[in-house]
Amino acid sequence: GESVGLHLPTLSVQEGDNSIINCAYSNSASDYFIWYKQESGKGPQFIIDIRSNMDKRQGQRVTVLLNKTVKHLSLQIAATQPGDSAVYFCAESNSGGYQKVTFGTGTKLQVIP
Amino acid sequence: EAQVTQNPRYLITVTGKKLTVTCSQNMNHEYMSWYRQDPGLGLRQIYYSMNVEVTDKGDVPEGYKVSRKEKRNFPLILESPSPNQTSLYFCASSPTSGSTDTQYFGPGTRLTVL
Repeated sequence: GESVGLHLPTLSVQEGDNSIINCAYSNSASDYFIWYKQESGKGPQFIIDIRSNMDKRQGQRVTVLLNKTVKHLSLQIAATQPGDSAVYFCAESNSGGYQKVTFGTGTKLQVIP
Repeated sequence: EAQVTQNPRYLITVTGKKLTVTCSQNMNHEYMSWYRQDPGLGLRQIYYSMNVEVTDKGDVPEGYKVSRKEKRNFPLILESPSPNQTSLYFCASSPTSGSTDTQYFGPGTRLTVL
């Protein structure tokens, strides 16, 4: 919803540039990680996921990087478009799936036309 | 159309008045889950269900109940709502709880408890 975006760290990016959204996770036992996109007034939408036995996974215009050594996850969006403006959440799980999922607090991506 | 629906979308109620938020999915999914979303805290899992008659607590179950009598429905029950349960609630489902499946979220229910 609208209030979700308040008080969040904001990343402002020019249209056409690449965006990098970062996430630090806390549980070293986490073995599955997911990125979600949430547009204003809507529920989260799955973007891409990665398991702990990988360090990189690519989708359409998106790439997720996982660094288990420093417990860091990043989402790269290539050629950012106005439709990419949203709040982005990372999520972690230590059950290999959705059984128990912990979400990060989110980053607001603002695309400047 | 494959979807997760929640009702009501908006609700204002008073402390102590029992309420139920319904969640329904038409995709024959086994796994369903409830989350609440609060500014600065992100989404927190309340309860989840691996299948019919199988439910378990998430991170913030206090003050909530759920039931899973049929596969498609997963209602969230607040027996005695309190103001700290004012939040945005999301239901989600996926074919199973496994990571090979995508989790689909409903549109959200904004609850205000006065």
